[in-house]
Amino acid sequence: DAKTTQPPSMDCAEGRAANLPCNHSTISGNEYVYWYRQIHSQGPQYIIHGLKNNETNEMASLIITEDRKSSTLILPHATLRDTAVYYCIVRVGSGGSNYKLTFGKGTLLTVNP
Amino acid sequence: NAGVTQTPKFRVLKTGQSMTLLCAQDMNHEYMYWYRQDPGMGLRLIHYSVGEGTTAKGEVPDGYNVSRLKKQNFLLGLESAAPSQTSVYFCASSYLARDRGYEQYFGPGTRLTVT
Repeated sequence: DAKTTQPPSMDCAEGRAANLPCNHSTISGNEYVYWYRQIHSQGPQYIIHGLKNNETNEMASLIITEDRKSSTLILPHATLRDTAVYYCIVRVGSGGSNYKLTFGKGTLLTVNP
Repeated sequence: NAGVTQTPKFRVLKTGQSMTLLCAQDMNHEYMYWYRQDPGMGLRLIHYSVGEGTTAKGEVPDGYNVSRLKKQNFLLGLESAAPSQTSVYFCASSYLARDRGYEQYFGPGTRLTVT
């Protein structure tokens, strides 16, 4: 699996957009980018994933660069409840039976009032 | 629809004692997983299962055993607990579909302390 690099921490003002970067310069053509978050003391929560195209759902938007070497998770209007550790994970999306996720240390996003 | 539930939520064991953690999911998922999370670290995969009656080792399987006798349940056992197994344990489940297999749903966790 491709390795990812994320800043250890970021701050964001409540109501503003939070843009969380992830570098995955060694990503392969068949690897997807997944984002999860973990609010303190809770289990991780799936947010969004993508392969090449930008994706949007009710929680967030995922912007993947054309060369796929980096991506940005966007929380359009951050709230205090979005304070969490955000994990960027790159994983093969096809083939094999091993679907394990490899969680790194992620980015601690703190949303300030 | 309860999603993924874990029993118990908290437990304190003495070194050498045994226990079983229960994970249950009501989403008819094929895949189930057990992770552990130590302070300040990401999750590490202990064991996983790709279907009823099957199990496989993850990154840190030593000291743990698992069973998947029913599709909806995944049990994690500690035969002889050690202080190094003090951790928060998370269970997760996911679909069979190749792409959605990484859309894992996690339980609330079990906080285990071994003294």
